[in-house]
Amino acid sequence: DGGITQSPKYLFRKEGQNVTLSCEQNLNHDAMYWYRQDPGQGLRLIYYSQIVNDFQKGDIAEGYSVSREKKESFPLTVTSAQKNPTAFYLCASSITGEGSGYTFGSGTRLTVV
Amino acid sequence: AQSVTQLGSHVSVSEGALVLLRCNYSSSVPPYLFWYVQYPNQGLQLLLKYTTGATLVKGINGFEAEFKKSETSFHLTKPSAHMSDAAEYFCAVTPRGYSTLTFGKGTMLLVSP
Repeated sequence: DGGITQSPKYLFRKEGQNVTLSCEQNLNHDAMYWYRQDPGQGLRLIYYSQIVNDFQKGDIAEGYSVSREKKESFPLTVTSAQKNPTAFYLCASSITGEGSGYTFGSGTRLTVV
Repeated sequence: AQSVTQLGSHVSVSEGALVLLRCNYSSSVPPYLFWYVQYPNQGLQLLLKYTTGATLVKGINGFEAEFKKSETSFHLTKPSAHMSDAAEYFCAVTPRGYSTLTFGKGTMLLVSP
């Protein structure tokens, strides 16, 4: 079955470390997205990519980086510059074209220890 | 810029009662509108969406929503709540011509026996 796989499900990071969250999709979707979810804050857009080798900053890109070397993959790196990285991170994908909506992965919960 | 307001961070109903979750949006151009559901520690699942055509939209699990342009609303309803409906619900908007979704802060639906 097609879908989006995020790994790992839980991740612990020491302060000052960079960590990379994986997101892989086999839906043949062109567009991919990263959102951050905090309690009571809804989902906030970090980065998105509509085509391979191209991506755009979202509303809260500071302290994060991404790459899109393959259509299927859109990894997110949380750098040491992100001051409050503890959150639930969601990856999504969609076909290009308006009104299609997103398919979401099951998320990665990142905790700074 | 677009935005979404979900009235009420928590809504409590009894099993069998009507469910009403409120969503108001702002958008500079005609929007596409979505409702998603999230169970604990999982990703978001699409319930229903409005793109064009009929303003009353039916979704999965007996939910429906009505697009009211004059009220800039897209409220989610279900005639009879079930215990399995207990989850967090997110309304989202994207203006036509845009690819990213803007989410509300979510409403937690609590269902009591």
